[in-house]
Amino acid sequence: GAGVSQSPSNKVTEKGKDVELRCDPISGHTALYWYRQSLGQGLEFLIYFQGNSAPDKSGLPSDRFSAERTGGSVSTLTIQRTQQEDSAVYLCASSPTGMNTEAFFGQGTRLTVV
Amino acid sequence: EDQVTQSPEALRLQEGESSSLNCSYTVSGLRGLFWYRQDPGKGPEFLFTLYSAGEEKEKERLKATLTKKESFLHITAPKPEDSATYLCARGIREKLTFGTGTRLTIIP
Repeated sequence: GAGVSQSPSNKVTEKGKDVELRCDPISGHTALYWYRQSLGQGLEFLIYFQGNSAPDKSGLPSDRFSAERTGGSVSTLTIQRTQQEDSAVYLCASSPTGMNTEAFFGQGTRLTVV
Repeated sequence: EDQVTQSPEALRLQEGESSSLNCSYTVSGLRGLFWYRQDPGKGPEFLFTLYSAGEEKEKERLKATLTKKESFLHITAPKPEDSATYLCARGIREKLTFGTGTRLTIIP
């Protein structure tokens, strides 16, 4: 497809379980971002990839959160031992080169921890 | 600390009633000011990027302008389909810092 694709679109999980969220960026985009949006809150930066490297992981809230990117393409955000406060919409975006060019967002994954 | 502040938080306008949304930011290291539109249940949709004071960009009923410390999104003669949350973000290093948005409602 032409846009950023995220899966699943919705995920309900039990507290304490691990979850994996997937992002397929626009083909050829070298920069990939993960953001989190909680109800009524702004977008919170989590991590940035340039190619397969993550030069900025400063937004990851705890060591339960990790992310990887392979082949300069698909990225996976993993949350271990999920907590109720992890409930949010997780948004992925890609941009052609990073360097503050426009980023294109996916539709997000709505995560609910019960 | 990076700060992006948007006002008002919410705005209700009659169809055809023009207005402006404000985005103010800390200046140091600014590498672009971005405007996005977000509809409920969707990811943000890119609208504009502005890089230098005095720059303006237009798209249909929207015009974005930039000064040294703030940006405005002007909406002229809005229609109900312009109802959405409008987000601004500043570029700093390699990431975007977002404001909390203005929720715009256009009443037919």
